[in-house]
Amino acid sequence: GENVEQHPSTLSVQEGDSAVIKCTYSDSASNYFPWYKQELGKGPQLIIDIRSNVGEKKDQRIAVTLNKTAKHFSLHITETQPEDSAVYFCAASYKRGSQGNLIFGKGTKLSVKP
Amino acid sequence: KAGVTQTPRYLIKTRGQQVTLSCSPISGHRSVSWYQQTPGQGLQFLFEYFSETQRNKGNFPGRFSGRQFSNSRSEMNVSTLELGDSALYLCASARTGSYEQYFGPGTRLTVT
Repeated sequence: GENVEQHPSTLSVQEGDSAVIKCTYSDSASNYFPWYKQELGKGPQLIIDIRSNVGEKKDQRIAVTLNKTAKHFSLHITETQPEDSAVYFCAASYKRGSQGNLIFGKGTKLSVKP
Repeated sequence: KAGVTQTPRYLIKTRGQQVTLSCSPISGHRSVSWYQQTPGQGLQFLFEYFSETQRNKGNFPGRFSGRQFSNSRSEMNVSTLELGDSALYLCASARTGSYEQYFGPGTRLTVT
């Protein structure tokens, strides 16, 4: 079945530095790739997403890139701030026409040190 | 606009009992999906409902079931609880035709 691998599992950066989290997916039919941020005691919050017909998308300090050939996608956070500290999950949607069926990576715990 | 709400937020049950969790989607959203989150397995898809019909189902035993009402509110039920069912159960809703899913805060279920 579909599988999503996420690396690294933990990431520690200094405030102001950039952070990069990488994911790979197995099913070439996947066409939607969201990223979620989960803070302690809360549900995952959608922060950015990308469709398979787009190579890159930016939203202020956050960007996502997609390489369909290599089946890789990455989250880039620039000018990190302490409030960016959280667990980040990548996901892939592998079933066309379905709004569910997100397959998640195992998560990356990002710590931003002031 | 109010977000996805889930009740109860915390629940403690004994092995062998059953439990029902509730989810109210964002107003206007007709798709509701359920996920189980555990430290070991991460976030795993349980099932998805749209217009009162189960549209997709993940790889969970038949003890896990759900339903959706005409107002799009959804419930999931777990029968004959096992210790391994202890988890955060998350509900997510989406607008018709949109891939974007918005999660609620979850229900923390502890089975003792």
